Amino acid sequence: AQSVSQHNHHVILSEAASLELGCNYSYGGTVNLFWYVQYPGQHLQLLLKYFSGDPLVKGIKGFEAEFIKSKFSFNLRKPSVQWSDTAEYFCAVNVRYSSASKIIFGSGTRLSIRP
Amino acid sequence: EPEVTQTPSHQVTQMGQEVILRCVPISNHLYFYWYRQILGQKVEFLVSFYNNEISEKSEIFDDQFSVERPDGSNFTLKIRSTKLEDSAMYFCASKSRLAGGPPPDTQYFGPGTRLTVL
Repeated sequence: AQSVSQHNHHVILSEAASLELGCNYSYGGTVNLFWYVQYPGQHLQLLLKYFSGDPLVKGIKGFEAEFIKSKFSFNLRKPSVQWSDTAEYFCAVNVRYSSASKIIFGSGTRLSIRP
Repeated sequence: EPEVTQTPSHQVTQMGQEVILRCVPISNHLYFYWYRQILGQKVEFLVSFYNNEISEKSEIFDDQFSVERPDGSNFTLKIRSTKLEDSAMYFCASKSRLAGGPPPDTQYFGPGTRLTVL
């Protein structure tokens, strides 16, 4: 069965620090990969996605993620975080070309930014 | 930009009562989903729906749950007899399908309905 692991449950950083959130998935086939963000009191928003092509994908708000197939990883990065990046971040995966495929979410990483 | 909408934003109910959570997916989308997030836990898949039938459902989606697309715009989740453990945020999502190709797998999520069962 597919699963997604996010090893950092809570990350605390100061503004301007660099961010890397880890994500590993388990599935041997071809997958689509996502990072969603949930700001306090708001709904899930898509930060970025990987379907194919360049394994380094850029998303909104200066975020990027790198797909490393050999490591089954899709880590999220941002070179310099802001206070407004305080949110919960979810890595997610689904099986490509499965018509009504569900999304499997990781348990989330809460990011707190000290002003 | 089109959005998925959900009503109500917050529903409070007594244990054993029936609730219906409503969603309006993005208008040209064909695949519909319900997920839930119990407070402090991860988002969990409940059910997917395509062509007026359930495509896949999770173990959570037992006989107490049902989904329906009663008209061309709404997609509902019904819980027949709510339990305390049904208290959660319920998210609706939808995605489209490109003609002649594989379906794009970006699901767009609604803002959620917070269900509180007392």
